[in-house]
Amino acid sequence: QQKVQQSPESLSVPEGGMASLNCTSSDRNFQYFWWYRQHSGEGPKALMSIFSDGDKKEGRFTAHLNKASLHVSLHIRDSQPSDSALYFCAARAYGSSGNKLIFGIGTLLSVKP
Amino acid sequence: NAGVIQTPRHKVTGKGQEATLWCEPISGHSAVFWYRQTIVQGLEFLTYFRNQAPIDDSGMPKERFSAQMPNQSHSTLKIQSTQPQDSAVYLCASSHWGGSSYEQYFGPGTRLTVL
Repeated sequence: QQKVQQSPESLSVPEGGMASLNCTSSDRNFQYFWWYRQHSGEGPKALMSIFSDGDKKEGRFTAHLNKASLHVSLHIRDSQPSDSALYFCAARAYGSSGNKLIFGIGTLLSVKP
Repeated sequence: NAGVIQTPRHKVTGKGQEATLWCEPISGHSAVFWYRQTIVQGLEFLTYFRNQAPIDDSGMPKERFSAQMPNQSHSTLKIQSTQPQDSAVYLCASSHWGGSSYEQYFGPGTRLTVL
């Protein structure tokens, strides 16, 4: 079983709409979360990190973390066609041994003009 | 800053041949990571180095795969006797060390196709 589960697998939203992506960890050692975005033919690029309970906003992107349930979400408001990409949730374990990232399977977002 | 450089971008090998993939991390980054990406498995951690020393290779297949970092400016991933199931995009990432807040910067990847 994947230690980091993402949903949905794919998502289509109209331009200007809101996209909501979800991620849940099954391992309580994972305390630090990142959202990465990957456009076709490129490597993943970090969008934002979230380590504390609550919301974190960066421009059109808002991440939410609930440490008790190990649930992380990413909300993209005013979605643009350029936001179409594969989005990964990644988790890192607590402590020095946790520098590697464990990725979810990804959510493929399509923003239709 | 050129970012993480990976060469070659594409490599095609025949079954049983050897493949060597190269990674040049961002200057000043002391941690280098290797991941493998496939449609079925997604992004999987393979191994990583800190200050050129191997730290965690728990994701590396036990046979045929090896990684080295002979100096701070490059790392290699070698696959001996390649098999069709090794076909994947191999991604290298680098970061500063220490603390989970450090972002990992990924290269564009090397797409390996084993015929």
